[in-house]
Amino acid sequence: EPEVTQTPSHQVTQMGQEVILRCVPISNHLYFYWYRQILGQKVEFLVSFYNNEISEKSEIFDDQFSVERPDGSNFTLKIRSTKLEDSAMYFCASTPRGESGNTIYFGEGSWLTVV
Amino acid sequence: GNSVTQMEGPVTLSEEAFLTINCTYTATGYPSLFWYVQYPGEGLQLLLKATKADDKGSNKGFEATYRKETTSFHLEKGSVQVSDSAVYFCALISNFGNEKLTFGTGTRLTIIP
Repeated sequence: EPEVTQTPSHQVTQMGQEVILRCVPISNHLYFYWYRQILGQKVEFLVSFYNNEISEKSEIFDDQFSVERPDGSNFTLKIRSTKLEDSAMYFCASTPRGESGNTIYFGEGSWLTVV
Repeated sequence: GNSVTQMEGPVTLSEEAFLTINCTYTATGYPSLFWYVQYPGEGLQLLLKATKADDKGSNKGFEATYRKETTSFHLEKGSVQVSDSAVYFCALISNFGNEKLTFGTGTRLTIIP
């Protein structure tokens, strides 16, 4: 069964460093997302992406965050200057098209630790 | 705005016990409703979903019925197993505009032999 894949599975970085998290969505999907989950807390929406542009972003997704689809397969989340509070599990997700009944498929997550 | 309220955890049950995890929601329009499961050390997996009122989603012995009148989507299983130990998230997508999932806080379930 096709799946969303994410790399790295775990990254430790120093505060202030740039981090890029990578995702390969399911190949025929058109909508892409990043969510995050701070340890022990709920899963929070960060950003959605469609047709090579951001379609919606949350308050969390400030100027330190950016997303890109550099080629036909990858979808990346960049954090420009990491803060301690960016430590979280980051989930990439995709869905075939924008209909409310569609399932959103998640990757296994990238665990980011900022020290 | 949209919101999901889930039963507070953690929940600890003995094997073969009956499970209910309550979930209620607030949303504009007629949302689609989901239960996701997160096993220890893993990502989010879709457990089941329902897209309209009175639909019942089911998978792996779990069931949930979309109740529009009570705005609820409670998760049930008749006989839980140790392997069901995980965190369960109720979530919705509104059918107006964007496709982002709104999650509940999650309920940690531990099944003891």
